[in-house]
Amino acid sequence: AQKVTQAQTEISVVEKEDVTLDCVYETRDTTYYLFWYKQPPSGELVFLIRRNSFDEQNEISGRYSWNFQKSTSSFNFTITASQVVDSAVYFCALSEKIQGAQKLVFGQGTRLTINP
Amino acid sequence: KAGVTQTPRYLIKTRGQQVTLSCSPISGHRSVSWYQQTPGQGLQFLFEYFSETQRNKGNFPGRFSGRQFSNSRSEMNVSTLELGDSALYLCASTHGQGANEAFFGQGTRLTVV
Repeated sequence: AQKVTQAQTEISVVEKEDVTLDCVYETRDTTYYLFWYKQPPSGELVFLIRRNSFDEQNEISGRYSWNFQKSTSSFNFTITASQVVDSAVYFCALSEKIQGAQKLVFGQGTRLTINP
Repeated sequence: KAGVTQTPRYLIKTRGQQVTLSCSPISGHRSVSWYQQTPGQGLQFLFEYFSETQRNKGNFPGRFSGRQFSNSRSEMNVSTLELGDSALYLCASTHGQGANEAFFGQGTRLTVV
């Protein structure tokens, strides 16, 4: 069975600090997709990134960067120079395809608090 | 482009009642998935519909059901509500082919008393 583990339940840092959110996954599939979502207090999950299992290139988008390492089954997310608006719950997810359908398996989430 | 719309946003129901939640996906998206979010169990997959057909179902009792209409709008129904059904129910829409990013609505917060 597929599994996603986000060991950090809560992280609290001061604004402008860099912070890394860890994500470790388990799957027997050779083809799979990994995602990060942000959940602000309003409730909806906001898509941040998708990465497929064949692309281990790291990605940077503004202050956000992602480090995908297949050898350690990890897909970590770093926020550089954090801001108060980054405060949210962040979820890492793994895509499991069953009968053509896509099912997301989520980690438990990391609650990130950025203090001014 | 309008996002995913879920109605209602909040619901309070009594044990034993039934409830219907609605989700309108992004225009052009044919797949709708439902997830339940609780503090204890986190985000769990309920089911996924594509072109009015249920393609996959999560590990939930038969009290949880859903359907999709020809315009891709979806409803989920929970019968004989239990206290443990209190949760945020999130709907996600995708194109439906391949592992596309899913776009989520703001959810329906269901409280069972």
